[in-house]
Amino acid sequence: EAGVTQFPSHSVIEKGQTVTLRCDPISGHDNLYWYRRVMGKEIKFLLHFVKESKQDESGMPNNRFLAERTGGTYSTLKVQPAELEDSGVYFCASSQGGAAGELFFGEGSRLTVL
Amino acid sequence: SQQGEEDPQALSIQEGENATMNCSYKTSINNLQWYRQNSGRGLVHLILIRSNEREKHSGRLRVTLDTSKKSSSLLITASRAADTASYFCATPPRGGGTSYGKLTFGQGTILTVHP
Repeated sequence: EAGVTQFPSHSVIEKGQTVTLRCDPISGHDNLYWYRRVMGKEIKFLLHFVKESKQDESGMPNNRFLAERTGGTYSTLKVQPAELEDSGVYFCASSQGGAAGELFFGEGSRLTVL
Repeated sequence: SQQGEEDPQALSIQEGENATMNCSYKTSINNLQWYRQNSGRGLVHLILIRSNEREKHSGRLRVTLDTSKKSSSLLITASRAADTASYFCATPPRGGGTSYGKLTFGQGTILTVHP
């Protein structure tokens, strides 16, 4: 069974440009999470989808970030326009519904904004 | 200090030695989890210890939890070069429910095991 996959693995863009990151969760996992690690800082929660609904988006930094999960399958995270401070590694994770348990993480998408 | 702070920030040992990493947190918890991240890879869940547990084992891993001190430790016994990675503790919100995946991570401990 495939794990959580993220694309692209690395993206280098200029300040002001737009980037879209994609996450494919493990099949059947209703819960999908986005996290971010900015250089030198801890990994921080961005938002949580249950199926196609945003359960919690309290970690989204500002309105330049837009996450979607149409159809409750894969998710995209768009940054528009990108700023220098958006550079970092964006992780996606998924989990089954129900009782608390482990999250399955993707390998991350590294974003570099120049 | 922040919720889920690891200590030390970096640890360098020889293969065969034991590695101990500590994590402190500030608020009460339902559980505490440890994750590993190999360079350039995703986070891998290692072990979860519930607030009513004091110690848990999984293979060469031993995790302890002291809720009175708000601290946890991860011990890797007989370390191998392949254990070289960053290790993070993480805690979900106390309320639980559907927010269990909203983890607060520490900055991690970078472990280097020399062959």
